[in-house]
Amino acid sequence: GAGVSQTPSNKVTEKGKYVELRCDPISGHTALYWYRQSLGQGPEFLIYFQGTGAADDSGLPNDRFFAVRPEGSVSTLKIQRTERGDSAVYLCASSSRPRSLAFFGQGTRLTVV
Amino acid sequence: GIQVEQSPPDLILQEGANSTLRCNFSDSVNNLQWFHQNPWGQLINLFYIPSGTKQNGRLSATTVATERYSLLYISSSQTTDSGVYFCAVDSSGSRLTFGEGTQLTVNP
Repeated sequence: GAGVSQTPSNKVTEKGKYVELRCDPISGHTALYWYRQSLGQGPEFLIYFQGTGAADDSGLPNDRFFAVRPEGSVSTLKIQRTERGDSAVYLCASSSRPRSLAFFGQGTRLTVV
Repeated sequence: GIQVEQSPPDLILQEGANSTLRCNFSDSVNNLQWFHQNPWGQLINLFYIPSGTKQNGRLSATTVATERYSLLYISSSQTTDSGVYFCAVDSSGSRLTFGEGTQLTVNP
């Protein structure tokens, strides 16, 4: 597609449930990033993929969070045993290479009730 | 990690006015981007500017890497310029660190 696509756009889940958030990067972009944005704050880094591998996962808050990119294109962010504090907008970005212009998707708004 | 400070936190303008937004960062960077987050939450690239000056229509940006700051200039502001402006920097090659943003409101 022409831009970074994220699905779903909104997700409401109950506390304790498992969720998956999907990101389709711009075709050909090898670098893919996940960020999380809470209300009134700037996005915070979660994880960075270069190709299929997670080159930097130091932003993941705990082991309930996991992300994969098995074929070097689409990525899935997985959250186990969701907590109310996980409620935020999850943003995905891609770039043609590291340290270059990053393009963001429209985000997935996750609400844990 | 690198620290990013943006000022002012809030700015209210009348349509047609000019403004300058500032971004200070605490370490040398190899990537600096300015974004506009519209009311629907979409982050829109404005500039990729780790150093130097760029212009795009009514917007321009200058980064003085040696002094660790960047400026975003908005001239002849329009109501559609309203939203949050973020500066984001990368010093490690793997992530952008965002400032807290400047909330801009342009009144008709």
